[in-house]
Parts: sequence; C-alpha cells; structure tokens
Amino acid sequence: EAGVTQFPSHSVIEKGQTVTLRCDPISGHDNLYWYRRVMGKEIKFLLHFVKESKQDESGMPNNRFLAERTGGTYSTLKVQPAELEDSGVYFCASSQGQVSNTGELFFGEGSRLTVL
Amino acid sequence: RKEVEQDPGPFNVPEGATVAFNCTYSNSASQSFFWYRQDCRKEPKLLMSVYSSGNEDGRFTAQLNRASQYISLLIRDSKLSDSATYLCVVIPDYKLSFGAGTTVTVRA
Repeated sequence: EAGVTQFPSHSVIEKGQTVTLRCDPISGHDNLYWYRRVMGKEIKFLLHFVKESKQDESGMPNNRFLAERTGGTYSTLKVQPAELEDSGVYFCASSQGQVSNTGELFFGEGSRLTVL
Repeated sequence: RKEVEQDPGPFNVPEGATVAFNCTYSNSASQSFFWYRQDCRKEPKLLMSVYSSGNEDGRFTAQLNRASQYISLLIRDSKLSDSATYLCVVIPDYKLSFGAGTTVTVRA
C-alpha cells in the first residue's frame, strides 16, 4: 500500500515567488494534516482537513499560505509570495480516524522549501 | 513556554549501552502521549504510545509522570540502528504537539 507522498521533495525559490506543495494521503484517510518544521525548531501544526473541509487552520502563519483539498483526496499548500522565514520542511500526514485516539499519523517524507 | 520541551542532546552512546531521556509538557489537561522516531531527512514515525502505568516494547520503555508532567524513554542494549531523533508528542486537544526532538547516536 502506498504511503503518504509529497511533491516536490525539495524546492528552491526566490523571495516573492510562489510555490505549491502537493500531498497525496493514504487512500481512504479522511484526515489530512499539514505540519512545518523550521530549522532547529519543533514540528508545528499548520492545518487539518477532514475530507475536503478545513477542520482547523489555526496554525497557518498568515494569509500568504493557502491550503486546499479539492474532492477530499490530495491537498495542495500554496505559499504566495514566499518570504525568507517560510524556509523549512513541510510535512503532510494523514490518518483514518481521530488521531487523539491512536496518536498515529502517517507522515510523508516532507517537502523541503528554501527561500533565497 | 513551549508546549513540549526536550533535551536536544545529542546523546552519544556505545552499542549495548542504556540511554534515557525525558520531555516535559506544559498542558496538564493533556491525555495522550507518544514517542515518535525520525531518521535523518526522513519522516517521523510512531515508535510507541505512553501509558499511565508505563509500558515496554522490546528494548524500549516509556514512562509517564503526570504529577511532574514529564515523559521518559529508555532504550536498553542500544543498537546502531537506534541512532535517530526521538520526538516527544503530546495531544493537549485533538492534534499532535511535538517536541523539538532528542538526538541519539549509537557508536560501534
């Protein structure tokens, strides 16, 4: 069974440009999460989808970030315009049920974003 | 104050040694606790849950101290393959809060 896949694995862009990250969750997983790890810091929650609906986007840093999950399948996270502080690793994760019960999220390998 | 704090390490230990480290959490209402493992440039993966009574999974033992709000992980008989960053995870509401991780390096 395929795991969570993310694309691209690494993106290098200049400040002011736009980048779109994509996540394909495990098939059948209604819950999809985006997390981010800035160098040296902890992995931080960005937002949570249940199917196509945004359940919680309290972790989104500002309105330069836009996440979508059309049709409740794959998700995209767009950063526009990118700033230097957006550099980091963006992880996508999915789960079938409520993560609070099992604690198990299945993560992708992450998309490393470098903004120059 | 951070929700979850960990000693970043690194803990450098020889094969066969025992290594232990803690993490503390700030939200006393947290109900669920876990250890994740992350290998270099890979994704985090669930290692084990942490139960109130403490639990073992092979060479790994996890403990929870609610009164002092800390969680511990002990690795016995360390293997080279145990080298990784260990992430303490707490669920204060319904989503995961991560510590920054403790790096363990096991040397031959």
